[in-house]
Amino acid sequence: TQLLEQSPQFLSIQEGENLTVYCNSSSVFSSLQWYRQEPGEGPVLLVTVVTGGEVKKLKRLTFQFGDARKDSSLHITAAQTGDTGLYLCAGNTGTASKLTFGTGTRLQVTL
Amino acid sequence: NAGVTQTPKFQVLKTGQSMTLQCAQDMNHEYMSWYRQDPGMGLRLIHYSVGAGITDQGEVPNGYNVSRSTTEDFPLRLLSAAPSQTSVYFCASRKSGGKTGELFFGEGSRLTVL
Repeated sequence: TQLLEQSPQFLSIQEGENLTVYCNSSSVFSSLQWYRQEPGEGPVLLVTVVTGGEVKKLKRLTFQFGDARKDSSLHITAAQTGDTGLYLCAGNTGTASKLTFGTGTRLQVTL
Repeated sequence: NAGVTQTPKFQVLKTGQSMTLQCAQDMNHEYMSWYRQDPGMGLRLIHYSVGAGITDQGEVPNGYNVSRSTTEDFPLRLLSAAPSQTSVYFCASRKSGGKTGELFFGEGSRLTVL
């Protein structure tokens, strides 16, 4: 059972455009993380959010945790080719030892 | 600082063969885990360990065994490989305690079962 659904599954945009990726669940998460994965490598943590309604910014990336802690979004402003990769959300529903990953959003940014 | 090291990076097996994927970390992390990654399904947890001598099952444990005899090493064993186990496998570790710790991943091991 996949607890975390991400949308869209694929996204191809040109450099300079804005985009938003969504991570949704019917479960409540105690914390939620976003990772980025490049080809041939393992995922790398971008951010962790723990409070409902929390907003975190990392340069051109803005992360939001839903008020009910069931969803999250990642907004990228003025995308660059270096943003290309697979974006994964991951959450804890209670057991710290089991981190559940979303289905992933593959982003392609072209010139 | 090597971080999380996985070997081999690539492996081809025939159905029914056995093999072990190795994982070692040099960060003194208590928690280690194995995930498999398949297209459109993200990462799914196979097994995890919260310390030496302690292991538990994740979401998709069938067909896989693990052991944790040291803090540094967490090997994943396939006793009788099946085509459904064709996947990319990732080992990850983090400090134990709390629910917000960063997972550090290896570079992955790509396994093909014919």
